[in-house]
Amino acid sequence: DQQVKQNSPSLSVQEGRISILNCDYTNSMFDYFLWYKKYPAEGPTFLISISSIKDKNEDGRFTVFLNKSAKHLSLHIVPSQPGDSAVYFCAASASYTGNQFYFGTGTSLTVIP
Amino acid sequence: AAGVIQSPRHLIKEKRETATLKCYPIPRHDTVYWYQQGPGQDPQFLISFYEKMQSDKGSIPDRFSAQQFSDYHSELNMSSLELGDSALYFCASSGVGGGAGAQYFGPGTRLLVL
Repeated sequence: DQQVKQNSPSLSVQEGRISILNCDYTNSMFDYFLWYKKYPAEGPTFLISISSIKDKNEDGRFTVFLNKSAKHLSLHIVPSQPGDSAVYFCAASASYTGNQFYFGTGTSLTVIP
Repeated sequence: AAGVIQSPRHLIKEKRETATLKCYPIPRHDTVYWYQQGPGQDPQFLISFYEKMQSDKGSIPDRFSAQQFSDYHSELNMSSLELGDSALYFCASSGVGGGAGAQYFGPGTRLLVL
C-alpha cells in the first residue's frame, strides 16, 4: 500500500520558469516531510523539509508547501535551472513510528535550457 | 563537508554467498538507516539504529542482519544471497536521535547477485 504518492512520473519545464512537483499522502499521522533529489547512480540529496506545524518552508529557490487537510505537499523551484534536472522524491514520517520514512515513487524533472 | 560514506560502491556475488556492506555516517550523527532500492522501484526501508541499538525495523529479510558499532558505523550483513537481492543499497544518517529528522544519504552500494 503506497502511503506516499507522486502521480506525475515526469515533468518538463523551461529554464527560468517555475517547477511545481506534487506529492500526496494517505496517512494523517504523518507529521514530517522531506524532499530529495537524485541524480543517476548517486544517492539521494536532501533538499528541504517541513513539519506539520507549518504550511510553508522556504530555502533559496526551493519552497515546500503543506496542505494538511488535503494531505498534499508540493515543491516549488523558481527559477528552474538545467542543473535541477533530476528525479525528485518526497518522503514522510510519523513521530509514533520513529525513524521510518515512506517514499514516493519520484518525479523526473527536466529543465530545458 | 563530510558526507555519508559507503563501501564498497559495487559488489558482485553469486547465489548463496554472503555480503557485508559498510556505512560510515556523518560525524556526530547518531542514527543510521538502511534502504534497498530495486530497479525501477522507490527505496524500501530496511532497518535503523540509534546509539548502537536497533530503533526500527522495516522489510528486512531474515537472511539479513545489521548492527551499529561503537564508532557509529554500521554494517549490513546479507547471507544466502538470492538473485532478487540485486539492488542499490543506501545508507543514511541523521543527527536527530529517536525522532524524525533530515536523513543524509550515502552514494549507495550496488549489489549484483549472479
